[in-house]
Amino acid sequence: NAGVTQTPKFQVLKTGQSMTLQCAQDMNHNSMYWYRQDPGMGLRLIYYSASEGTTDKGEVPNGYNVSRLNKREFSLRLESAAPSQTSVYFCASLSRGLREDYGYTFGSGTRLTVV
Amino acid sequence: QQQVKQSPQSLIVQKGGISIINCAYENTAFDYFPWYQQFPGKGPALLIAIRPDVSEKKEGRFTISFNKSAKQFSLHIMDSQPGDSATYFCAASRMDSSYKLIFGSGTRLLVRP
Repeated sequence: NAGVTQTPKFQVLKTGQSMTLQCAQDMNHNSMYWYRQDPGMGLRLIYYSASEGTTDKGEVPNGYNVSRLNKREFSLRLESAAPSQTSVYFCASLSRGLREDYGYTFGSGTRLTVV
Repeated sequence: QQQVKQSPQSLIVQKGGISIINCAYENTAFDYFPWYQQFPGKGPALLIAIRPDVSEKKEGRFTISFNKSAKQFSLHIMDSQPGDSATYFCAASRMDSSYKLIFGSGTRLLVRP
């Protein structure tokens, strides 16, 4: 049971470089999310995709773009990396079980450093 | 603008003690309040959740208390164990089609043996 898989796990970029963070889930979930985690600030939503073919901005979308390639995959792209984008990035998909509670299944994160 | 405020930032508790983490929210449209637990190097995982139609929910040693009028909710960990040492996040969402979660800033809990 892979769940949510993120690649890469670690990355160092130079200011101005671009890169794409990959996320894939094998649980047939409709909704997927990208968050960034910074010390003392919790997790902040960057973009989300409520269903295949749709994407929407979250709290902190500036400097990022996303692609919902298919139901399984949701990628996050930094076109021109800045030091302020140094963070840990988490991808999540929405689990809706038989109980009334629902929750996200998170990947293990990508630790990105921009120098 | 921080929609979900969490305190304390860090907490140290002796084994067997009670750990209490508090959260306050502003948006009265929120109607779902989960708590997540995160261990180092891992993604957060759902621990327990509550809806505003109940004032308390208990699952094992973990209890959520909810005060709708005060717009506050808290996590109580009874008989805290060293294995509970982790970062805890409260969150809130509206039950719309997006299911977006707004997270608090997190509490780092250390349970001493």
